[in-house]
Amino acid sequence: ETGVTQTPRHLVMGMTNKKSLKCEQHLGHNAMYWYKQSAKKPLELMFVYSLEERVENNSVPSRFSPECPNSSHLFLHLHTLQPEDSALYLCASSQDITGGTNTQYFGPGTRLTVL
Amino acid sequence: DQQVKQNSPSLSVQEGRISILNCDYTNSMFDYFLWYKKYPAEGPTFLISISSIKDKNEDGRFTVFLNKSAKHLSLHIVPSQPGDSAVYFCAASALEWGGSEKLVFGKGTKLTVNP
Repeated sequence: ETGVTQTPRHLVMGMTNKKSLKCEQHLGHNAMYWYKQSAKKPLELMFVYSLEERVENNSVPSRFSPECPNSSHLFLHLHTLQPEDSALYLCASSQDITGGTNTQYFGPGTRLTVL
Repeated sequence: DQQVKQNSPSLSVQEGRISILNCDYTNSMFDYFLWYKKYPAEGPTFLISISSIKDKNEDGRFTVFLNKSAKHLSLHIVPSQPGDSAVYFCAASALEWGGSEKLVFGKGTKLTVNP
């Protein structure tokens, strides 16, 4: 596997379910990100991790819980979601979170539908 | 308030002609700009970038122009090919207080290249 991978690619869950999204990067990067893309809205940054430490949390509801066990893996744990949380969830990685020319590389995303 | 704006939600161009995608920004602290391309059911793919110290960067058929005084950048694709049909996102970053860079995305422009 190369680049950034995400599983599952599609997920349908009820409001009372608990599920997790997984992201893995094979680029040797130190920073990982979760984004949310809703219809007709720009990508919204949710969380940023640098060397497994969370450095950014953009006022995301607590029903989204990230976990970064090492610099190659990132999880997004979901519980008691709302239908308005249905969106495409994208993971990205970059070499670092600073540096002036920091290009982020994205995974294919998980299409989440909350019933 | 959107800091990165792509005012054209869609653009249609004939194969072989030039495609020009535009992007405006409001934050004068942005120092790095990127274009991403996104096909349906895939994550955004990095296309080309430009640092604020330059006004042009070229990579094959793709050229990005930056006009800092107008806070405007554009992506030129020439000649356009049907395989270029995708959604194009403009993104910008600035070094935030605390030392981390954050990417801010536009809403995207859907480019259709007709054979």
